[in-house]
Amino acid sequence: RKEVEQDPGPFNVPEGATVAFNCTYSNSASQSFFWYRQDCRKEPKLLMSVYSSGNEDGRFTAQLNRASQYISLLIRDSKLSDSATYLCVVRGLGGNTPLVFGKGTRLSVIA
Amino acid sequence: DTGVSQDPRHKITKRGQNVTFRCDPISEHNRLYWYRQTLGQGPEFLTYFQNEAQLEKSRLLSDRFSAERPKGSFSTLEIQRTEQGDSAMYLCASSAFGNQPQHFGDGTRLSIL
Repeated sequence: RKEVEQDPGPFNVPEGATVAFNCTYSNSASQSFFWYRQDCRKEPKLLMSVYSSGNEDGRFTAQLNRASQYISLLIRDSKLSDSATYLCVVRGLGGNTPLVFGKGTRLSVIA
Repeated sequence: DTGVSQDPRHKITKRGQNVTFRCDPISEHNRLYWYRQTLGQGPEFLTYFQNEAQLEKSRLLSDRFSAERPKGSFSTLEIQRTEQGDSAMYLCASSAFGNQPQHFGDGTRLSIL
């Protein structure tokens, strides 16, 4: 079983739609959680950290369920510029541990 | 631009050649990471430095791969006797102390002919 699993998509949604991505992780010792965004042939860029209480940044909302080892990302009012691959990322205990990435979920927002 | 810088952006070489990539992290970051990404996959961890010390190496890092960070600033990743399977994007990331997020460079795309 992969450490971090995501639905690869693609998700094709119209502008203005709300879309949700889910991710599960297998290592219960994971301590930090992130969503990164990656555009085609570019480097991953941090979209947001994910906190146990859930957090929101503009149109983006992230949720963490430690009991179910499940992370979600909700994008409201999708824009064309949201088209990208969204990578679910976890990290173990301690600031030194490397990031473990999912394969990513591809989103295409269509006019 | 004070982000993570990688050089070269692209490298095309014949199988069996040696290649070396460079990464300059964000200046105040003491942690530096190398990842490899192939098409359709997320980045996979290769190795990690804290200052000049290489603290962890993935099993993906065969003996043909070596990384250094001699002065605790820039890092190099060398691949000897390249193979077709080494074709990938090689990403460098850096972070500050604690659980700070990692910031990635543009990557070096390696193509083995």
